Amino acid sequence: NAGVTQTPKFQVLKTGQSMTLQCAQDMNHEYMSWYRQDPGMGLRLIHYSVGAGITDQGEVPNGYNVSRSTTEDFPLRLLSAAPSQTSVYFCASSYGTGLVEKLFFGSGTQLSVL
Amino acid sequence: AQKITQTQPGMFVQEKEAVTLDCTYDTSDQSYGLFWYKQPSSGEMIFLIYQGSYDEQNATEGRYSLNFQKARKSANLVISASQLGDSAMYFCAMRGTGRRALTFGSGTRLQVQP
Repeated sequence: NAGVTQTPKFQVLKTGQSMTLQCAQDMNHEYMSWYRQDPGMGLRLIHYSVGAGITDQGEVPNGYNVSRSTTEDFPLRLLSAAPSQTSVYFCASSYGTGLVEKLFFGSGTQLSVL
Repeated sequence: AQKITQTQPGMFVQEKEAVTLDCTYDTSDQSYGLFWYKQPSSGEMIFLIYQGSYDEQNATEGRYSLNFQKARKSANLVISASQLGDSAMYFCAMRGTGRRALTFGSGTRLQVQP
């Protein structure tokens, strides 16, 4: 029972490089989201999706792109990495967006941009 | 808009004692859900407990209970009989009616001392 799978676990980039963080879930969840975690700031929403083909921006979307071509996958693309994007990234999913719906999280990706 | 405030950056507690982690929230939504997550040093996010704004009783899950005071807009987490394994970061979060994302607080780092 895999749940939410994120890859890679660690990544080091140089400024200006691009990369994709992968996220997949096997729970048939409609809702998927990406958060970044920075010290003292909790988790901030980057982008989210309420179903295949539907995405929307969260609180801190600049510098990131997402797409949702299938229910299972929700990759996060960094277009041109900047040191300010050094953070821990979490993918999370839930069956829906009702009040009681808890999020299931991946194990996180620690990204450093030099 | 929604906002979660956790005013305790760090807390210490002796093993076997109870501890309360504070969480206050601000929302204009009439109905909302409140969540607590635990993040151990390994980094994963673990769901602990949920409280609905319409629930008349405080939520409990084993050694975790949520002291919900709606008029004060507070949703404090109480951990009874602390264990060494409770040492972790704890995040309070909420979702309001029709909102598609959880809003997180900045977290409280709890250290349980033997």
